[in-house]
Amino acid sequence: GQNIDQPTEMTATEGAIVQINCTYQTSGFNGLFWYQQHAGEAPTFLSYNVLDGLEEKGRFSSFLSRSKGYSYLLLKELQMKDSASYLCAVRGAAGNKLTFGGGTRVLVKP
Amino acid sequence: GAVVSQHPSWVICKSGTSVKIECRSLDFQATTMFWYRQFPKQSLMLMATSNEGSKATYEQGVEKDKFLINHASLTLSTLTVTSAHPEDSSFYICSAGGGIDTQYFGPGTRLTVL
Repeated sequence: GQNIDQPTEMTATEGAIVQINCTYQTSGFNGLFWYQQHAGEAPTFLSYNVLDGLEEKGRFSSFLSRSKGYSYLLLKELQMKDSASYLCAVRGAAGNKLTFGGGTRVLVKP
Repeated sequence: GAVVSQHPSWVICKSGTSVKIECRSLDFQATTMFWYRQFPKQSLMLMATSNEGSKATYEQGVEKDKFLINHASLTLSTLTVTSAHPEDSSFYICSAGGGIDTQYFGPGTRLTVL
């Protein structure tokens, strides 16, 4: 089975940096995804990691350590519009099925 | 980028009726689509994997006779909630694979059962 943990909520100030951690225990691993979801909307794709290391995309970066079962999403230069839920999802060994963590609600304050 | 659409965006129905939700991949073919359910302030829970031309694969605890899935073509999957009850009220989201490194989500369907 899959078990994916991430903090429930985080608060940060506009312009600051926030790091959202995700730990996972899975029976197989074929990639880790981060999605952003605003209330009442569908998730939008942010990043994908399958090898160890850091992937950078503008203000967002994602890191993966497969040996530790650990990933983080780093949001820099926070903007008010970044207030949303951030979902960590792991793809198992077979097929394209994703298992989602509980999501982290990030609140950006002025 | 790839686009996945869902119809309807929201639906209100009476208890005991059936509701059909469509999921379409607009600019790519998808042999596999996924159906998720999301309750307020909770994460996405995978309900089933929809396979074109064959039976859907349901996750543990999901009643296949209640949530009927049909994937009749490479661009369309439908989810029918049969004999809906208030506890079925939720946000239903479909997704389709755009490749090995991503999966695209539809905009979701909010179902309210009175």
